[in-house]
Amino acid sequence: SQQGEEDPQALSIQEGENATMNCSYKTSINNLQWYRQNSGRGLVHLILIRSNEREKHSGRLRVTLDTSKKSSSLLITASRAADTASYFCATAHLGGGFKTIFGAGTRLFVKA
Amino acid sequence: GAVVSQHPSWVICKSGTSVKIECRSLDFQATTMFWYRQFPKQSLMLMATSNEGSKATYEQGVEKDKFLINHASLTLSTLTVTSAHPEDSSFYICSARDSGGRMSTGELFFGEGSRLTVL
Repeated sequence: SQQGEEDPQALSIQEGENATMNCSYKTSINNLQWYRQNSGRGLVHLILIRSNEREKHSGRLRVTLDTSKKSSSLLITASRAADTASYFCATAHLGGGFKTIFGAGTRLFVKA
Repeated sequence: GAVVSQHPSWVICKSGTSVKIECRSLDFQATTMFWYRQFPKQSLMLMATSNEGSKATYEQGVEKDKFLINHASLTLSTLTVTSAHPEDSSFYICSARDSGGRMSTGELFFGEGSRLTVL
């Protein structure tokens, strides 16, 4: 399969709660990125974490990377209804112009 | 941030016709661009890697004669869906990586996507 795996596939939470999404991949990477996509729209880049980094923060976002387990997590704290979207991890692989492969995505629904 | 412009944003065509989608990097040069395809409620599937001045590299299962890619300049790549059929209806998204000073970041910049509907 071209894609890495993400879980959960769908997540429904109340506004104010935290949302955690996980991503696993198969081969060595240069970096891992998280993107957000609202229905039928393009992608919005959220955060990039390099293979030699373990954790990164950006506002309410926290990303971790465990290269030994080939996995990453995205935590959104104090979620808002406006966070409702699909979230994808994408891994840039060594060689081939850093070909970037997307995970299956998590559909997040935040209830007001 | 860097801007990638994709055109058209949506297109409806008759079965059997060909459709061209353009992807432009507006404020940076991109020796490499990527074309993705996305079906409703699914993830993005990489179709091909577009290389400026050379042939595109297609992913397994993607017909290169069906999806023609041309990357004639450092700021423009085109995807032509030839002899389109209803099953080609999809959301096509391009992305580009800055070949200049920001290349080391690895960040991809995405176009807004093109929604193709084949009748």
